[in-house]
Amino acid sequence: DSGVTQTPKHLITATGQRVTLRCSPRSGDLSVYWYQQSLDQGLQFLIQYYNGEERAKGNILERFSAQQFPDLHSELNLSSLELGDSALYFCASSVNSGNTEAFFGQGTRLTVV
Amino acid sequence: GEDVEQSLFLSVREGDSSVINCTYTDSSSTYLYWYKQEPGAGLQLLTYIFSNMDMKQDQRLTVLLNKKDKHLSLRIADTQTGDSAIYFCAEKGNTGKLIFGQGTTLQVKP
Repeated sequence: DSGVTQTPKHLITATGQRVTLRCSPRSGDLSVYWYQQSLDQGLQFLIQYYNGEERAKGNILERFSAQQFPDLHSELNLSSLELGDSALYFCASSVNSGNTEAFFGQGTRLTVV
Repeated sequence: GEDVEQSLFLSVREGDSSVINCTYTDSSSTYLYWYKQEPGAGLQLLTYIFSNMDMKQDQRLTVLLNKKDKHLSLRIADTQTGDSAIYFCAEKGNTGKLIFGQGTTLQVKP
């Protein structure tokens, strides 16, 4: 158990819908990262938050957004869902952005039908 | 730019050594990582190496880093069927985000 908790574990939704994925980082970790794992794109960095502020952006679509709350949990919002958004979404956390180790949650498997 | 490349598949016999290779492009990377992903599971950090090191050994795992060629390898000694998984190489980019390779599927035959 990495200490990073993601909910839900599985999500099935229809095209055009909006979903929210939730991540609770390890206790004491200030930095949260979101990654998308799909068959065709592999593991892609989406976005990073540090202590509530956006720190870095990767290949994140405009239909997607995220935030980190004062209690340091984070949510990834995916809207106007398309079939191609079906993927495994991982959250990772680390103490800070300079820390050597990032710990990953078990992921949320999103299926868009 | 930041890019990480790995071979996609490796098959070995139980008891043999496995060597998984990776190349990266960002010479400013400070840390390089190996993660393991078992079917249906998340990413497990196996080991990492600081960029000023050539080698790191941790039980059955040996990481070799050739910084000049930007080449990283993971050697698993006495490979077991439980080692069957996808292995990801990653470099640490600026801000701390990880840039992953495509993953190497390791198949261990009994």
